[in-house]
Amino acid sequence: DIQMTQSPSTLSASVGDRVTITCRASQSISTWLAWYQQKPGKAPKLLIYKASSLESGVPSEFSGSGSGTEFTLTISSLQPDDFATYYCQQYNSYPYTFGQGTKLEIK
Amino acid sequence: EVQLLESGGGLVQPGGSLRLSCAASGFTFSSYGLSWVRQAPGRGLEWVSVISVSGGSTSYADSVKGRFTISGDNSKNTLYLQMNSLRAEDTAVYYCAKEGYGGVTINWGQGTLVTVSS
Repeated sequence: DIQMTQSPSTLSASVGDRVTITCRASQSISTWLAWYQQKPGKAPKLLIYKASSLESGVPSEFSGSGSGTEFTLTISSLQPDDFATYYCQQYNSYPYTFGQGTKLEIK
Repeated sequence: EVQLLESGGGLVQPGGSLRLSCAASGFTFSSYGLSWVRQAPGRGLEWVSVISVSGGSTSYADSVKGRFTISGDNSKNTLYLQMNSLRAEDTAVYYCAKEGYGGVTINWGQGTLVTVSS
């Protein structure tokens, strides 16, 4: 199985900050990587697919990059609504696997 | 509009069984991969299983292989997850989800809570 490792586990930041979350795969997954945002009590929401493609309706402050085993999610300017938990997921091969999550907190 | 509505969660004793259902609408049921993803209280997301409804192929996480069975009914546009030999560690919110572009999970249901406890 492909293991996904996210860092950091927790990130404290302020509105307007630029933040980056990293996701590493235990083997190459090409660009078969997605990023999700989850708020308490809600289902996850797709932000980025194919490593760098922005899902329709997602604000342009979100961007993704990477290929192979190293990926990043960048939020260019944090908005109040962005404080949530973020997960990466590989969909290169079954079983699809998630990173452990990054909780983005208000500093 | 894609809608996924889970049901069937509840309290069950260790060793017991439960069947979850997911009523789907707003898309051609047999044309997409459909999956179950779970989230234990206060924990991260865990992919559980997937089915290609048209082809019948399935895949499972190691943690549920041999205990859980995923299936789909095209005539009812409904996805199922039969869960047997349940353990305390199966306690979680179970989400039904629909795949899209290349297999990415695009749409999610609201989730149904399964609690395994005596």
